Amino acid sequence: GQNIDQPTEMTATEGAIVQINCTYQTSGFNGLFWYQQHAGEAPTFLSYNVLDGLEEKGRFSSFLSRSKGYSYLLLKELQMKDSASYLCAVRSMDTGRRALTFGSGTRLQVQP
Amino acid sequence: EAGVAQSPRYKIIEKRQSVAFWCNPISGHATLYWYQQILGQGPKLLIQFQNNGVVDDSQLPKDRFSAERLKGVDSTLKIQPAKLEDSAVYLCASSLDGGHHSYFGPGTRLTVT
Repeated sequence: GQNIDQPTEMTATEGAIVQINCTYQTSGFNGLFWYQQHAGEAPTFLSYNVLDGLEEKGRFSSFLSRSKGYSYLLLKELQMKDSASYLCAVRSMDTGRRALTFGSGTRLQVQP
Repeated sequence: EAGVAQSPRYKIIEKRQSVAFWCNPISGHATLYWYQQILGQGPKLLIQFQNNGVVDDSQLPKDRFSAERLKGVDSTLKIQPAKLEDSAVYLCASSLDGGHHSYFGPGTRLTVT
């Protein structure tokens, strides 16, 4: 089976940097995704890591360590509009499935 | 390009009634997914289609849920009969193939009373 853990809630200040951690246990690992979901809206794709290291995309970066089963999403220069839930998701090829298994999400609140 | 379309956006039914949701994926996307998202949780896969064939339905409660994608394009998800615990947002997603990230539709918020 698969197990994904991420903090339930985080609070940060506008203009600051925040790191959202995700740990996972899975066999047949084939990629880790981060999605952003504003309240009442659909998830939108942020980033994808399949190899170890850091992927940077503007204000957002994502890091992966496959040996540790660990990833983080780094958000820089926080803006009020970044208040949302951030979902960590893992893809496994174990049973031929290529769909994603999601964590419960981290609700980020950005304060002025 | 047009995104994933879903309808209806909201539905309220009584327990033991039936309900159906419709999804039209992004044009050309071979893979289609239905997810159930209960409030405060991440989406949970119900069923995955590749074209008009089922790839994975291991988490679909088959005694009450059914889904089809007859022509390999749009899809319907049905619940019959509904239970209170089926109250959730039902998200449809599609991808070019299973190897790419998924695009999600706006979802259907179901309330079972």
